[in-house]
Amino acid sequence: DGGITQSPKYLFRKEGQNVTLSCEQNLNHDAMYWYRQDPGQGLRLIYYSQIVNDFQKGDIAEGYSVSREKKESFPLTVTSAQKNPTAFYLCASSMGKLEAFFGQGTRLTVV
Amino acid sequence: AQRVTQPEKLLSVFKGAPVELKCNYSYSGSPELFWYVQYSRQRLQLLLRHISRESIKGFTADLNKGETSFHLKKPFAQEEDSAMYYCALRDRPRDNYGQNFVFGPGTRLSVLP
Repeated sequence: DGGITQSPKYLFRKEGQNVTLSCEQNLNHDAMYWYRQDPGQGLRLIYYSQIVNDFQKGDIAEGYSVSREKKESFPLTVTSAQKNPTAFYLCASSMGKLEAFFGQGTRLTVV
Repeated sequence: AQRVTQPEKLLSVFKGAPVELKCNYSYSGSPELFWYVQYSRQRLQLLLRHISRESIKGFTADLNKGETSFHLKKPFAQEEDSAMYYCALRDRPRDNYGQNFVFGPGTRLSVLP
């Protein structure tokens, strides 16, 4: 069953802790993206990667880090430097001229 | 900077009425626009793209470069159309190497019985 899988669906962390969100795709897509979705603000780009071992900052990269060691995986780490980490996080992938395909999302709550 | 605006946060219409969700963009190159839809408890999915010039679930959208708009229209709304709709733009920020997608803030469509 092809697609993008984000895990976990819900994540709770204490303030000050780093947390890593998983994103895996078996679509053989080159490009992968991380977005943050907040009510009234739509989707804002955090990081994106066009190929393995390469990634670029998006509009709101501060307090986040990523890696792209494998084509199918693009994990996002929310660090303690992120001032307002509680949000819904969406991972997506695309290939060439195709549209972006999205995962189900991870809702992160920092308490 | 590339930007997508959707002026309405919430749009409520009655079943069978026409619906138009507005989208405007700013982009320095040749734009490629999309409409995405997010139904309750489902993942964000593509509804249509301007290059296909297709009609999906009765929805159409025409790219108007003069008005920099890509409004989504449906002549007769159905209750199952109730969802969050996002307009998006494909951005190629570095001389056509690499790309990302810029999204608008979204419009929640509520179709009333």
